[in-house]
Amino acid sequence: GDSVTQMEGPVTLSEEAFLTINCTYTATGYPSLFWYVQYPGEGLQLLLKATKADDKGSNKGFEATYRKETTSFHLEKGSVQVSDSAVYFCALPSMNSGYSTLTFGKGTMLLVSP
Amino acid sequence: DAGVIQSPRHEVTEMGQEVTLRCKPISGHNSLFWYRQTMMRGLELLIYFNNNVPIDDSGMPEDRFSAKMPNASFSTLKIQPSEPRDSAVYFCASSLGRKITVNTEAFFGQGTRLTVV
Repeated sequence: GDSVTQMEGPVTLSEEAFLTINCTYTATGYPSLFWYVQYPGEGLQLLLKATKADDKGSNKGFEATYRKETTSFHLEKGSVQVSDSAVYFCALPSMNSGYSTLTFGKGTMLLVSP
Repeated sequence: DAGVIQSPRHEVTEMGQEVTLRCKPISGHNSLFWYRQTMMRGLELLIYFNNNVPIDDSGMPEDRFSAKMPNASFSTLKIQPSEPRDSAVYFCASSLGRKITVNTEAFFGQGTRLTVV
């Protein structure tokens, strides 16, 4: 079945550092890909998305490029802020009998210190 | 729009008691999902409804768990009897249509943190 693999956390960075969180996937076909973010005590919010190969999703300074050849969707940010401290989830829709649900990676916690 | 609304936000109960979690999806959305989040297992899909009908409940851990969607604007997840290993954050999400795409994304509620002692 479909699966998403993310790098283990926590990722600890200083403010203004460069961030990469790796995500690779296994799926049938070429699904849309998503990054969700969960701030402390909150639910998941969609951060960015991409629909096809070489698409780049971007939002709030974060970017991720859909790489079909490496089945990857790595999340990057050039300069992180303390307010970016959260758990980040990579996800894809999994199809089953004409319906789809989201399959998530295990999440990567990001801790940014001043 | 108020988004997906879950209640309660926190629930502490004793082992053996019945627990009911509630969810109000975004108006107009016809797909509803219940997820459970734990440190060990991450986010697990418990059950998925479309047009109020359960489509996939293969993620429901055991018979102690049940979920209903009596109408388009309300769903419940019930645990009876509850056990300490049920302690987790339970999320409800909704989306428009049968397929999740970049144009029909899933929106999540803020979750219910359940603690069974």
